[in-house]
Amino acid sequence: DIQMTQSPSSLSASVGDRVTITCRASQTITNYLDWYQQKPGKAPNLLIYAASSLQSGVPSRFSGSGSGTDFTLTISSLQPEDFATYYCQQSYNTPYTFGQGTKLEIK
Amino acid sequence: QVQLVESGGGLVQPGRSLRLSCAAPGLTVSTYDIHWVRQAPGKGLEWVALMSSDGRRSYYAGSVRGRFVLSRDNHWTRLYLQMNSLRPEDTALYYCARDRGGGFIDLWGQGTLVTVSS
Repeated sequence: DIQMTQSPSSLSASVGDRVTITCRASQTITNYLDWYQQKPGKAPNLLIYAASSLQSGVPSRFSGSGSGTDFTLTISSLQPEDFATYYCQQSYNTPYTFGQGTKLEIK
Repeated sequence: QVQLVESGGGLVQPGRSLRLSCAAPGLTVSTYDIHWVRQAPGKGLEWVALMSSDGRRSYYAGSVRGRFVLSRDNHWTRLYLQMNSLRPEDTALYYCARDRGGGFIDLWGQGTLVTVSS
């Protein structure tokens, strides 16, 4: 199985900050990497698919990059509604696997 | 409005079985691959299983392979996750979710809670 490792596990930041979350795969997954945001008590929400494609309706302050084994999610200017938990997922091979999550908290 | 609706969760004793259902009002489930993803209380997301749009292929996480089985009804309006030999570590909120193509999930249900406890 492909292991997905996110860092950091938690992050404190302020409104307006630029934030980067990284995700590393245990083997190459080309660009089969997706990012989800989850708020407490809610289902996850797709932000980025295929490493860098912005899902329709998602604000442009979210962006993704990377290929192979190393990927990043960047939020260019944090807004209050962005404080949530973020997950990466590889969709290269089954079993599709998620990273352990990054909890983004208000500083 | 397209949505996915899970049902069938509840409290079950270890070793017993439970069948979850995923209904998709407004959605032709035969058009999409459908995933099951679970989330234990206070924990992260865990991918569980996937059924292909044609219903011919199913894939499972190692933690459930041999115990969980995917199926769909003859009219392809509902999908089922049959969970056998349940363990306490299967306790989680179970989501069904639509694959938009390429493995990414663009539509999630609200989840159904499964609690495995004596």
